[in-house]
Amino acid sequence: GDSVTQMEGPVTLSEEAFLTINCTYTATGYPSLFWYVQYPGEGLQLLLKATKADDKGSNKGFEATYRKETTSFHLEKGSVQVSDSAVYFCALNTNAGKSTFGDGTTLTVKP
Amino acid sequence: ETGVTQTPRHLVMGMTNKKSLKCEQHLGHNAMYWYKQSAKKPLELMFVYNFKEQTENNSVPSRFSPECPNSSHLFLHLHTLQPEDSALYLCASSQGLRDEQFFGPGTRLTVL
Repeated sequence: GDSVTQMEGPVTLSEEAFLTINCTYTATGYPSLFWYVQYPGEGLQLLLKATKADDKGSNKGFEATYRKETTSFHLEKGSVQVSDSAVYFCALNTNAGKSTFGDGTTLTVKP
Repeated sequence: ETGVTQTPRHLVMGMTNKKSLKCEQHLGHNAMYWYKQSAKKPLELMFVYNFKEQTENNSVPSRFSPECPNSSHLFLHLHTLQPEDSALYLCASSQGLRDEQFFGPGTRLTVL
């Protein structure tokens, strides 16, 4: 079946540090890929997405590129802020509506 | 109201109670989802509805009973739950099954 594996947390960084959260997937066909973010006490929010190979999703300084050859969708940000502290989820959707989420990676950014 | 709303936000119930969770989306989407989020466990997809028809039941116990009367509303009926069912229940919607999902704030359920 489909699966998403993302980097285990928690991740703790200082403000302005570089962030990478790794995500790899297994799926039949060509899924859409997503990164969601969850702030405390809230539901998940879409951060960025990519729907086909070599697409780059970007939002709020975060980026991720759909790499079909390595089945990866790693999340990066050049300079994190305290307000980026949250839980980040990598996810995929197939045409059949089967949504699969990674376990989530907790990011804490310290001033 | 905009986006996806869920009521109640918090619910405490005994194992013999019957209660319902409600989700409403104001986005004109065609698909709606129920997820369970437990501490220390990954997000679990429970049910998917597309154009009011159930397309996914992820081996969910029958004590959870979904209902989708129209594309804007989704219910989760609960009866004879177990303490291990305590979790955050999230509702989401999307335009199509491949599209990004918009999540509600969740209902924090505690089963005593």
